[in-house]
Amino acid sequence: EAGVVQSPRYKIIEKKQPVAFWCNPISGHNTLYWYRQNLGQGPELLIRYENEEAVDDSQLPKDRFSAERLKGVDSTLKIQPAELGDSAVYLCASSSIWLGSHYGYTFGSGTRLTVV
Amino acid sequence: GQQVMQIPQYQHVQEGEDFTTYCNSSTTLSNIQWYKQRPGGHPVFLIQLVKSGEVKKQKRLTFQFGEAKKNSSLHITATQTTDVGTYFCAATSGTYKYIFGTGTRLKVLA
Repeated sequence: EAGVVQSPRYKIIEKKQPVAFWCNPISGHNTLYWYRQNLGQGPELLIRYENEEAVDDSQLPKDRFSAERLKGVDSTLKIQPAELGDSAVYLCASSSIWLGSHYGYTFGSGTRLTVV
Repeated sequence: GQQVMQIPQYQHVQEGEDFTTYCNSSTTLSNIQWYKQRPGGHPVFLIQLVKSGEVKKQKRLTFQFGEAKKNSSLHITATQTTDVGTYFCAATSGTYKYIFGTGTRLKVLA
């Protein structure tokens, strides 16, 4: 099993430029999450999908961030335009919810974004 | 809103010493999970606790959920250099939205 696959692994962009991150979750995991992790802090949820539906995007800065999960499988997270404060590691995670019980997240390796 | 605090923020121990990190919530929790993140790595799921007062063990790691379901602890017996990393708790009050704690960074001195 490949696990959660993310790309790119690293990205350096100038401020005001757009950037996109891609995630392929574990096969069969119906729930997908995008988290942002700043240095020395815990992951913070940006958006949660159940299948192709975004069920919680309350913490996604919608003026510049967007996400999609077409066909309920892989997902992309976009920032346009990027700001210096967006520098962080963007983590994708997936999990399964079975019979009302949630099982632990499996995280991808993350994309380390540096905005200069 | 729900907040999850972890203490201590940092812990340096000599190899062979024990280590404990605590997770505290301002609200009653439905369940709590623990993750380990190695330096430069991503969080890896360790365990989930659901029941009040629950205690689970994984080799040298002991996880406990408080009776009031507002706190939890992770205890490592006789630390090894492979235990180095940041330990996070992640808690939910009943939805599938987990709030991650601030983490405890463990350094083990050989």
